[in-house]
Amino acid sequence: DSGVTQTPKHLITATGQRVTLRCSPRSGDLSVYWYQQSLDQGLQFLIQYYNGEERAKGNILERFSAQQFPDLHSELNLSSLELGDSALYFCASSAPGGSSYNEQFFGPGTRLTVL
Amino acid sequence: AQKVTQAQTEISVVEKEDVTLDCVYETRDTTYYLFWYKQPPSGELVFLIRRNSFDEQNEISGRYSWNFQKSTSSFNFTITASQVVDSAVYFCALRDFGNEKLTFGTGTRLTIIP
Repeated sequence: DSGVTQTPKHLITATGQRVTLRCSPRSGDLSVYWYQQSLDQGLQFLIQYYNGEERAKGNILERFSAQQFPDLHSELNLSSLELGDSALYFCASSAPGGSSYNEQFFGPGTRLTVL
Repeated sequence: AQKVTQAQTEISVVEKEDVTLDCVYETRDTTYYLFWYKQPPSGELVFLIRRNSFDEQNEISGRYSWNFQKSTSSFNFTITASQVVDSAVYFCALRDFGNEKLTFGTGTRLTIIP
């Protein structure tokens, strides 16, 4: 158990809908990262927050947005869902200070299925 | 640009055999960090090891060992005396200094046959 929690574990929804994925980092970690794992794109970095502020952005679609709250949990919002958004979405956290050598610990993931 | 190549898509070995998973990386930075993660059938990503670019010492942890060679930009992972529980997808990842995102390879699916 990495200490990172993600809810829900599974999510099934229809095209055009909007969903919210939730992540709680390990106790004391300030950085939260979101990754998408799909069959065609592999594991891809989406976005990072550090202590409530956006720190880095990857290949995140404009239909997707994220935020990190004062209690450090984070939410990833996916809107106008398409079939291709079906994937496993991971949240990861790393130790405070944002030192780039710190390893990232991953949550169990949320499996999103868009029908 | 960062890139990680795991040329072996799938490997199958019989239990107790040794197996090496290859990882080749590309980066323009002189300071960077390499990682291996394990993804068992349950789906979570489990951190295995981090290696800093300025530390080329190889590492052994039980049945696991890692061979980092800067000259060939490789960071290979060997499992000795494999066990069925080692069956998983293994990912190699790269992180440049000052850039906190991980760039992953495409993964190698390892199947240990009992």
